Amino acid sequence: DGGITQSPKYLFRKEGQNVTLSCEQNLNHDAMYWYRQDPGQGLRLIYYSQIVNDFQKGDIAEGYSVSREKKESFPLTVTSAQKNPTAFYLCASTQQGIGIQPQHFGDGTRLSIL
Amino acid sequence: DQQVKQNSPSLSVQEGRISILNCDYTNSMFDYFLWYKKYPAEGPTFLISISSIKDKNEDGRFTVFLNKSAKHLSLHIVPSQPGDSAVYFCAAKVRTSGNTPLVFGKGTRLSVIA
Repeated sequence: DGGITQSPKYLFRKEGQNVTLSCEQNLNHDAMYWYRQDPGQGLRLIYYSQIVNDFQKGDIAEGYSVSREKKESFPLTVTSAQKNPTAFYLCASTQQGIGIQPQHFGDGTRLSIL
Repeated sequence: DQQVKQNSPSLSVQEGRISILNCDYTNSMFDYFLWYKKYPAEGPTFLISISSIKDKNEDGRFTVFLNKSAKHLSLHIVPSQPGDSAVYFCAAKVRTSGNTPLVFGKGTRLSVIA
């Protein structure tokens, strides 16, 4: 059954700590994305990757880092430089191509500060 | 500067009646528009889309209308059902050869009252 798996579902971070959120997809999609959702803010783009070993900053990349060493994996690290990391994080992927290519989303990771 | 705006944070509709969710955009380069539905603590799921060469697209109870001159689109749900209660996001993208990210609105929370 193809899909996007995000783990863990809940994550707690201590002050000054880096944490990594996992995102794995078995849809053979080329492009992957990370979004952050805050109450009343909609989905804001953090980073995206259109191909392995390449990624671009989104609107709110400061304090985050990513890697794309494999097509199926796009982990997001929330660094200690991110001063307000409490949010719901969503990973998505989509097939390469022109036209309407809907993004498929995982079920998210909720990050909280201890 | 918000390129995709959903000006109604919430909407309540009686079961069986029509739900109309609105979305405005400012970027005239947008060529594709999508609607997503999101339940709490889950990822958004794709609902319906429309390309800028059309003014209407229908899928069962869901119809999306696009008015390019007004830079406005709307999602109609007829008849509304209690299971439709969720947050609905409008999203748009520019037509390119790559997978440019979607730009999302802030969402409208729909409550369908039985």
